[in-house]
Amino acid sequence: GAVVSQHPSRVICKSGTSVKIECRSLDFQATTMFWYRQFPKKSLMLMATSNEGSKATYEQGVEKDKFLINHASLTLSTLTVTSAHPEDSSFYICSARDWSGRSYNEQFFGPGTRLTVL
Amino acid sequence: DAKTTQPTSMDCAEGRAANLPCNHSTISGNEYVYWYRQIHSQGPQYIIHGLKNNETNEMASLIITEDRKSSTLILPHATLRDTAVYYCIVRVQTSGTYKYIFGTGTRLKVLA
Repeated sequence: GAVVSQHPSRVICKSGTSVKIECRSLDFQATTMFWYRQFPKKSLMLMATSNEGSKATYEQGVEKDKFLINHASLTLSTLTVTSAHPEDSSFYICSARDWSGRSYNEQFFGPGTRLTVL
Repeated sequence: DAKTTQPTSMDCAEGRAANLPCNHSTISGNEYVYWYRQIHSQGPQYIIHGLKNNETNEMASLIITEDRKSSTLILPHATLRDTAVYYCIVRVQTSGTYKYIFGTGTRLKVLA
């Protein structure tokens, strides 16, 4: 149980286009999801906290107009990278918290999405 | 606002215990310590967490010093499949929610 999926797993796009990444909790409801970014051989950096039915909370230095987050249901959050540029190329990982009580304290991570902008 | 420091890399012989240290000298009284690991190009996997008591589960043990300024993750019998990057994380509460602050991670290599 407590599985989080991401789609797509890998995407290549041209500079200037927008890319949407989906994060789904498959067997639990997630009122809170998180989006991270990871550069090669670096640690995960939290980008934003996504709450179902409300606006996302962005970390300092993260452009909210660049990285649009929508958390419209208890099992789905989306990250849209708008007008992507090569410097946006990275590994994007989402996580979700299961509030059902089964694993109250943990975040469950998705497998990640590798974005390459040409 | 880095909360943890970890050695960059460690080697461990297969079958031996792997002891991974973490310093979190600025941790607050209600902040938990979490450990996750990440195998290449995958999402992090939960290992264990604790507040002030030592913890053990089927994967590992977590030893937290009495002053809570450091901790050690112990993999009792390392296997080749334990080769991964291990992250020591402090969970902080802010604006009504909990966030993970990842450390830089320790790249553990288990040697045959």
